[in-house]
Amino acid sequence: DQQVKQNSPSLSVQEGRISILNCDYTNSMFDYFLWYKKYPAEGPTFLISISSIKDKNEDGRFTVFLNKSAKHLSLHIVPSQPGDSAVYFCAAGSGNTGKLIFGQGTTLQVKP
Amino acid sequence: EPEVTQTPSHQVTQMGQEVILRCVPISNHLYFYWYRQILGQKVEFLVSFYNNEISEKSEIFDDQFSVERPDGSNFTLKIRSTKLEDSAMYFCASSEVRSSYEQYFGPGTRLTVT
Repeated sequence: DQQVKQNSPSLSVQEGRISILNCDYTNSMFDYFLWYKKYPAEGPTFLISISSIKDKNEDGRFTVFLNKSAKHLSLHIVPSQPGDSAVYFCAAGSGNTGKLIFGQGTTLQVKP
Repeated sequence: EPEVTQTPSHQVTQMGQEVILRCVPISNHLYFYWYRQILGQKVEFLVSFYNNEISEKSEIFDDQFSVERPDGSNFTLKIRSTKLEDSAMYFCASSEVRSSYEQYFGPGTRLTVT
């Protein structure tokens, strides 16, 4: 199932700089997109979401951008902190089913 | 802060045995889900559950799987006859409303089938 793809398996950034995580999707019926953060031995933690009727949503250091024409979304973390080091998953849903389709994840390392 | 809890954290079972994985969703949530993640692979949707009925299930969720909400707080996933390929992390999630998609996940149960 390749409907949601995160093409970068890993990303390394310096503390204080911007982290940009990317996600592409193929299903134009998706109407809701989410980002989750996951630490080892824990479940995914909800970070931020965006509806398809918007192109930007911001929550503190986290901003999600949605480009529907390109079927692309991104998560910006500014400024990045060492505690942000984790695996980040994008996920997408459609209709009213509650079913989420996840990407493969990107491992973010923020260096002090 | 309310959270989803899951027990056990790790379950080891022999092939062909039945296992029950347990979850306690967030108390005011009405929608419940199971996902799994095989090592090195994506998180995959298994099933959604609302009002004591399955709302949707994936192709993975075959006759060997069942879900139940036996009381007002627990939500269980049963695998009747485990296979080696059922070895995975199983995550329970819940949401207050279905349309929000903001699902809150438990810490997972690692199932190892030998």
